Amino acid sequence: DGGITQSPKYLFRKEGQNVTLSCEQNLNHDAMYWYRQDPGQGLRLIYYSQIVNDFQKGDIAEGYSVSREKKESFPLTVTSAQKNPTAFYLCASSTQNTGADTQYFGPGTRLTVL
Amino acid sequence: AQSVTQLDSQVPVFEEAPVELRCNYSSSVSVYLFWYVQYPNQGLQLLLKYLSGSTLVKGINGFEAEFNKSQTSFHLRKPSVHISDTAEYFCAVSEHNQGGKLIFGQGTELSVKP
Repeated sequence: DGGITQSPKYLFRKEGQNVTLSCEQNLNHDAMYWYRQDPGQGLRLIYYSQIVNDFQKGDIAEGYSVSREKKESFPLTVTSAQKNPTAFYLCASSTQNTGADTQYFGPGTRLTVL
Repeated sequence: AQSVTQLDSQVPVFEEAPVELRCNYSSSVSVYLFWYVQYPNQGLQLLLKYLSGSTLVKGINGFEAEFNKSQTSFHLRKPSVHISDTAEYFCAVSEHNQGGKLIFGQGTELSVKP
């Protein structure tokens, strides 16, 4: 089955720790995205990548970092600089990045800071 | 700058009743419009999208939406809802020739009661 996988499903972090969220797709999509979802706020774009070895900041990139070394993988690191990281994180991908393309979403990772 | 407003945060409705979820957007250029659905603790799934052409768009699960350029609206409708339609619904827009960046509304929680 083609799709997007995210792991882990639940993640707990102590204050001051960096954590990395995994996102893998086997849809052969060029573009990948990371969103943060908070109750009542919809989804906000953290980072996106249109091609391997290239990525762009979204609206709320501070305290996050990404890499895109392989087409199928787009991991997100939540650093200790992110002051309020508790949220639901969603990864998505699309064939291209034209704006008209459907974005396909993974099942999400729920991050909780203890 | 573009923005999306979903006018109702919660919509309770009885099974088999019609429903309309409202979405307004603001943008100075032409846009693509999307509706996504999110079931609890899952990722988002595309319901329908408007790219061009006919302003009435039909999607999955019996949903449809109408693009109204003069009112900058893209309301989602279903003539008869089921219990299984209980979910959160997100309206999103992207601007032509501005890359694939999606701007999401805050979401509308649809609750279908027996």
